[in-house]
Amino acid sequence: DQQVKQNSPSLSVQEGRISILNCDYTNSMFDYFLWYKKYPAEGPTFLISISSIKDKNEDGRFTVFLNKSAKHLSLHIVPSQPGDSAVYFCAASAAGGTSYGKLTFGQGTILTVHP
Amino acid sequence: ETGVTQTPRHLVMGMTNKKSLKCEQHLGHNAMYWYKQSAKKPLELMFVYNFKEQTENNSVPSRFSPECPNSSHLFLHLHTLQPEDSALYLCASSHTGTSDLDTQYFGPGTRLTVL
Repeated sequence: DQQVKQNSPSLSVQEGRISILNCDYTNSMFDYFLWYKKYPAEGPTFLISISSIKDKNEDGRFTVFLNKSAKHLSLHIVPSQPGDSAVYFCAASAAGGTSYGKLTFGQGTILTVHP
Repeated sequence: ETGVTQTPRHLVMGMTNKKSLKCEQHLGHNAMYWYKQSAKKPLELMFVYNFKEQTENNSVPSRFSPECPNSSHLFLHLHTLQPEDSALYLCASSHTGTSDLDTQYFGPGTRLTVL
């Protein structure tokens, strides 16, 4: 049973436009969410995170939105650049106890930004 | 060296071989992780070490044997693997304490092929 789902395997966007990547989760114990970006032949790179006490976190061109009632988060990239083309992974964790340190990842979404 | 390094980057081995993957982190973290990424699947957590102690074994077969001699080094010893074990093996590290410090930083991975 996949607790973190990224239902769109791929997304294609024009340079300068907004990219919106979506992620849904089922485990209500998750309280910390992260987005990672991965280029081919490299490990995932941390991009941005959000705690469940917030509904928005912004860092430059990247904004993550969290809707706890819908168990949904999204990553907005604006404006999109060709260098943003990569695989984006959503991940979630639950603090404390035996869940500590366990990140659950989605399947990833391939973002392609066209010049 | 900075960040999280992994060696070797590529490994081809037969099913009767014994090999080891090495991970080193230069971030002052005290938690280290092994993940497996198979084709078209999410990253799967294998092992978690906090302060050199194993705190998570995610039902990993015994043909994978982790070793954590100190907070900066992590090994994955491999023996009698199966072709289905071919995957990208990723190491990560993080601080421990609270969810806000759960951000895991990944190495580039070892691409393992079992013949």
